[in-house]
Amino acid sequence: AQSVTQLGSHVSVSEGALVLLRCNYSSSVPPYLFWYVQYPNQGLQLLLKYTTGATLVKGINGFEAEFKKSETSFHLTKPSAHMSDAAEYFCAVSVNTGNQFYFGTGTSLTVIP
Amino acid sequence: DTGVSQDPRHKITKRGQNVTFRCDPISEHNRLYWYRQTLGQGPEFLTYFQNEAQLEKSRLLSDRFSAERPKGSFSTLEIQRTEQGDSAMYLCASSSQTGTNTGELFFGEGSRLTVL
Repeated sequence: AQSVTQLGSHVSVSEGALVLLRCNYSSSVPPYLFWYVQYPNQGLQLLLKYTTGATLVKGINGFEAEFKKSETSFHLTKPSAHMSDAAEYFCAVSVNTGNQFYFGTGTSLTVIP
Repeated sequence: DTGVSQDPRHKITKRGQNVTFRCDPISEHNRLYWYRQTLGQGPEFLTYFQNEAQLEKSRLLSDRFSAERPKGSFSTLEIQRTEQGDSAMYLCASSSQTGTNTGELFFGEGSRLTVL
């Protein structure tokens, strides 16, 4: 079975500071990993994904994430936070032998001016 | 922009009533998912269609819930005899995938259900 743990349901950073949102997964087979973002009153949209190949993946809006198999982690980072980054972020995992996507409980990011 | 659309966006109903939600996926997408999201939680998988075939159902989907995708296009999610615990955001997502599910899910804005 697969599962996702997001540490920190709320994260606050100052504008211009580093953003770090943590995601750890559990999977008995090689996982596919995703980060989705949800802005207020909008649907979830994909930020980035890891399937195979390079473990550092870049996404939209300057976000990137690194797949670390030894740590079972897929943390999301952005060097410099912008006010428009304030949103809910969800980490998700799936596997190639199934058709479900398992989501974490989400991290709400607040950017302080 | 013809993304995933859901209707209605908000539904308030009394306990015991039936409700139906509709999802129109992106037209060329063959896969359609229903998720439920409650406050402070991530989306929880309910069911999944490939074309018109319902291939997986979560244990969360009690016998009061039924989903259809009759022609492999739009889908409906019906909840019979609603209970207060059914209050949640119901999310629909679609994707265009063959074989393994490495692709992106495109979500609608959700249908919020409040059961009084």
